[in-house]
Amino acid sequence: AQKITQTQPGMFVQEKEAVTLDCTYDTSDPSYGLFWYKQPSSGEMIFLIYQGSYDQQNATEGRYSLNFQKARKSANLVISASQLGDSAMYFCAMRERNTGGFKTIFGAGTRLFVKA
Amino acid sequence: SQTIHQWPATLVQPVGSPLSLECTVEGTSNPNLYWYRQAAGRGLQLLFYSVGIGQISSEVPQNLSASRPQDRQFILSSKKLLLSDSGFYLCAWSVVQPREETQYFGPGTRLLVL
Repeated sequence: AQKITQTQPGMFVQEKEAVTLDCTYDTSDPSYGLFWYKQPSSGEMIFLIYQGSYDQQNATEGRYSLNFQKARKSANLVISASQLGDSAMYFCAMRERNTGGFKTIFGAGTRLFVKA
Repeated sequence: SQTIHQWPATLVQPVGSPLSLECTVEGTSNPNLYWYRQAAGRGLQLLFYSVGIGQISSEVPQNLSASRPQDRQFILSSKKLLLSDSGFYLCAWSVVQPREETQYFGPGTRLLVL
């Protein structure tokens, strides 16, 4: 079974509009962490935002916010006021306990295209 | 501040040749270190991770190996490359925190095996 599911292979958004990138996860660990990364065409993975499973409030970092719905096991990334430079691949990741310690698992990614 | 370096940035190698990719981290001590591979248009596959000098854990059996000769140096190697080894190789570091452990990535190495 997929641990991290990103159902949108590609998304289009108009510049200056908001966009939501979906991420659902599956874990039996009651305490876990959720991350979003951005990968522009250069290839570098850029950390965007973190949400802990026990955090009461949704994480926010500038134009990025994480819509965390624990009961639904979803951790969608919301980008407000999209910019052309937001065009990139976006990866959702989860850190959970497994045999031997902790492990971070990445989703397959969503490619975001921002239109002028 | 911490920085992570990878080299080379791009590499074209013939099948059967050896490989050595290097990753170094500055500005932190005793980090966890990771090697990932990303096939074209795909997600990340964890290859190796290391929690300390000489300590290497392999996630996927293959013809690659990793070594950590120094605290902030992580090397990915192969004695004989296969076509399937082509991909984008990313090194990452993190400080040791169980669940909040954010991984920070290097610029990556694009490897093409012909």
